[in-house]
Amino acid sequence: DAKTTQPTSMDCAEGRAANLPCNHSTISGNEYVYWYRQIHSQGPQYIIHGLKNNETNEMASLIITEDRKSSTLILPHATLRDTAVYYCIVRWASYDKVIFGPGTSLSVIP
Amino acid sequence: GAVVSQHPSWVICKSGTSVKIECRSLDFQATTMFWYRQFPKQSLMLMATSNEGSKATYEQGVEKDKFLINHASLTLSTLTVTSAHPEDSSFYICSVGAIGSPLHFGNGTRLTVT
Repeated sequence: DAKTTQPTSMDCAEGRAANLPCNHSTISGNEYVYWYRQIHSQGPQYIIHGLKNNETNEMASLIITEDRKSSTLILPHATLRDTAVYYCIVRWASYDKVIFGPGTSLSVIP
Repeated sequence: GAVVSQHPSWVICKSGTSVKIECRSLDFQATTMFWYRQFPKQSLMLMATSNEGSKATYEQGVEKDKFLINHASLTLSTLTVTSAHPEDSSFYICSVGAIGSPLHFGNGTRLTVT
């Protein structure tokens, strides 16, 4: 079973920040939080990952709570091209299999 | 650039025939690759873990004799759907990940069995 829970869907106005939450209350100390997104009919695209510190890259920011039981992916200025299903997953090592939950379907609205 | 190359991107075959899907790791040697299947409006479902030089590990409910996986080199894993039937029509995706790096996914193969 997936180790994370996410809202089924969210809307965001174009140009505004999109904040996507994820709960991972059973995460262990050596597991990372990864975020991917999938645009229709494509393979998932890696966005960002983190262990305990907040992370930022050119695509997004990842905020992880101090107890590591939840995190938030932030798309600072959402565009229509950010409309996708966003998956939050936890995994330990590269050889650790990844189980996907249903993810959050984000709709960016003009 | 692309880290994972998956081929073909789409294929149509007749019921009863077999189809082979290739997954290539372009940037690094992958001792482990993962194969997923995705039905419309559903999430990705892990089918199997492909291990270089050894037998694949299949998830519960996935028929190993129907979905043959070969991982003969560090850059290539293949998934063969044998005796395909319309219910095997789906989106098949592979992924690879090196130590210390995120999993990267292919662009998927859309299989339609008529």
